[in-house]
Amino acid sequence: DIQMTQSPSAMSASVGDRVTITCRASQGIRNYLVWFQQRPGKAPKRLIYAASSLQSGVPSRFSGSGSGTEFTLTISSLQPEDSATYYCLQHNTYPLTFGGGTKVEIK
Amino acid sequence: EVQLVESGGGLVQPGRSLRLSCTGSGFIFGDYSMSWFRQAPGKGLEWISLIRSKTYGGTIEYAASVKGRFSASRDDSNSIAHLQMNSLQTEDTALYYCSRAYGSDWLFDYWGQGTLATVSS
Repeated sequence: DIQMTQSPSAMSASVGDRVTITCRASQGIRNYLVWFQQRPGKAPKRLIYAASSLQSGVPSRFSGSGSGTEFTLTISSLQPEDSATYYCLQHNTYPLTFGGGTKVEIK
Repeated sequence: EVQLVESGGGLVQPGRSLRLSCTGSGFIFGDYSMSWFRQAPGKGLEWISLIRSKTYGGTIEYAASVKGRFSASRDDSNSIAHLQMNSLQTEDTALYYCSRAYGSDWLFDYWGQGTLATVSS
């Protein structure tokens, strides 16, 4: 199985800060990576697909990059509504596997 | 408007069964693969199954944690996907979500609200 190592597991940042979350795959997954945001009590929401494509309707402060084994989700200017847990998911190989999640808190 | 609605969750004793359903609307259900995920209380997301569209053979993938106990199926005429869960264990307690998939552009772009399955004696 492909292991997805996500870091950090939690972080606290101020409104306006630039936030970077990383996912590393244990083997190459091309660009078959999706980023989700999950607010408490809600279903996951797709932010980024194909590693770097922005989901329609998602604010442009979110961006994704990477290919192969290292991927990054960046929030260019953190907003209060971005307080949530973020997950990466690889869909290159079954079983599909998620990163462990990054809980982002607003200071 | 695309909608996915899960149902069928509940409280069940260890060793018993539950059948979850995922009803889709607002899109051509038969064109999409349908996937199931779960989230144990306070834990992360786990993918558990995907059933491909008939166009791609209707074949099914399972996570090792559920293979041999869970069975996915689909009824395209009624736009419903099912997850039959047998031999349930306490560690299967989770919120179960369904989502649709078609290529990368429409991969897991819509999710249901989830249905809670609690396995306890």
